[in-house]
Amino acid sequence: AQKVTQAQTEISVVEKEDVTLDCVYETRDTTYYLFWYKQPPSGELVFLIRRNSFDEQNEISGRYSWNFQKSTSSFNFTITASQVVDSAVYFCALSEAGGATNKLIFGTGTLLAVQP
Amino acid sequence: NAGVTQTPKFQVLKTGQSMTLQCAQDMNHEYMSWYRQDPGMGLRLIHYSVGAGITDQGEVPNGYNVSRSTTEDFPLRLLSAAPSQTSVYFCASSYDPYSATNEKLFFGSGTQLSVL
Repeated sequence: AQKVTQAQTEISVVEKEDVTLDCVYETRDTTYYLFWYKQPPSGELVFLIRRNSFDEQNEISGRYSWNFQKSTSSFNFTITASQVVDSAVYFCALSEAGGATNKLIFGTGTLLAVQP
Repeated sequence: NAGVTQTPKFQVLKTGQSMTLQCAQDMNHEYMSWYRQDPGMGLRLIHYSVGAGITDQGEVPNGYNVSRSTTEDFPLRLLSAAPSQTSVYFCASSYDPYSATNEKLFFGSGTQLSVL
C-alpha cells in the first residue's frame, strides 16, 4: 500500500535559520510521482514541486531545495534562510503512475512556524 | 481567471441534514476530485472523476455521493450528515488525469463544514 510519512508534526525556527522538512514514502510502484504543497494560514493549497521517480536530481528554486533519494525512499524539503512568510503547513504527497496520476496520497503535514 | 470555485465557504449542519458542496472549474479540466482535511490526518481522497459521466471512489467515500454531468461541475453530496463529517473539504482539478506531464492539481479555497 502507498503511504507518506511526515514524522515532524511541528517545527519552530527563528527567521534566517535553515530548516529541513522530512518526507518518507512507501510504494510498490516503480514509477510514481512525489509532490510538496504549502498551506499558509489563509488555508489554500499551493503547489511547490512535482518529481517523478526516474529523476533523482536535486532541485533548487530560490530559497527552496528538494533532496530525492530512492535508496531511502525520502523526498526532503529544505528552506534556506527562512522567513516569517514561510510559516505554513507543508504537505508531502505521492501518486502512482498507472490510472489517474493525480490520485494523491498525502502525509499528515508539518506545521512550520518561523519566528521573527 | 476564476480557477476552481467552491461554495459555500462555511456551512453548519445538524445531524441528518443533507446538503451539496459545489465545485466548478473554468479551465476545461478533465480530472476533478474531492478531498477532506482533518487535523492530524492530512488530506484524504473522497471521490474523483476522470471526465464527464465517470466517477470513482477514493480512500474515504462512505457517506458521500458525487456525479459529473458536465466537465465544469463536480458536486459533493452529503445525504445524511454526521458529526464525523465535520471537516474542511477541498475540490481539485487538473487537465489530463493520465498524462505523465501533468504537473499539478489546482485546488479550490475549501469549504469548512461543521455537523452538530
